[in-house]
Amino acid sequence: EVQLEQSGGGLVQPGGSLRLSCAASGFIFSAYGMTWVRQAPGKGLEWVSSITGSGKSTDYADSVKGRFTISRDNSKNTLYLQMNSLRADDTALYYCAKDPGGSGILDYWGQGALVTVSS
Amino acid sequence: DIQMTQSPSTLSASVGDSVTVTCRANQSISRWLAWYQQKPGKAPKLLIYKASTLESGVPSRFSGSGSGTEFTLTISSLQPDDFATYSCQQYHGSPLTFGGGTKVEIK
Repeated sequence: EVQLEQSGGGLVQPGGSLRLSCAASGFIFSAYGMTWVRQAPGKGLEWVSSITGSGKSTDYADSVKGRFTISRDNSKNTLYLQMNSLRADDTALYYCAKDPGGSGILDYWGQGALVTVSS
Repeated sequence: DIQMTQSPSTLSASVGDSVTVTCRANQSISRWLAWYQQKPGKAPKLLIYKASTLESGVPSRFSGSGSGTEFTLTISSLQPDDFATYSCQQYHGSPLTFGGGTKVEIK
């Protein structure tokens, strides 16, 4: 059974940093691209970042480029999102998701981690 | 960026009704479109990909159609479990973009 277990959310001040983790099980982690998607309170879904199975290629939304870093440790079956220089408009529920074909289809999602940026 | 627009934003229906949600792209995305269902406090669930291919385990009352810039999601006989928010997503190119969502609520 595919499972994506997220951790690392919380309250952080503007300008602060936070790292989200997504521990994967039930599939060959290194074979699949992974993606972060966020959802601000009461809003729609917004793609944040994606990474290939090998970790060699990454992509970011313009809104987070230069501030967020996606990475993965295939030996630990874990995906990460390092978030720096956080702003109030980064407040959202962050989901990790598995991309079965590297195409952008997201077939399994984590439970979400709430990030609140506020002073 | 490819913009995805869904309509309506809210849809009121009864159990047993057939409902249709529309998703439009501001440029052609061929058939590179997915639909997701999301319930309050839960992660999205993939229903349909490539515009009309049903994800494994998804009931056959869900169907998708369309190509190019206009797509529809139809639920043929609404069940109590189907009251949720539905979002479309294009994966024709980066960045991935989602529609604003359609909430299907009980009339």
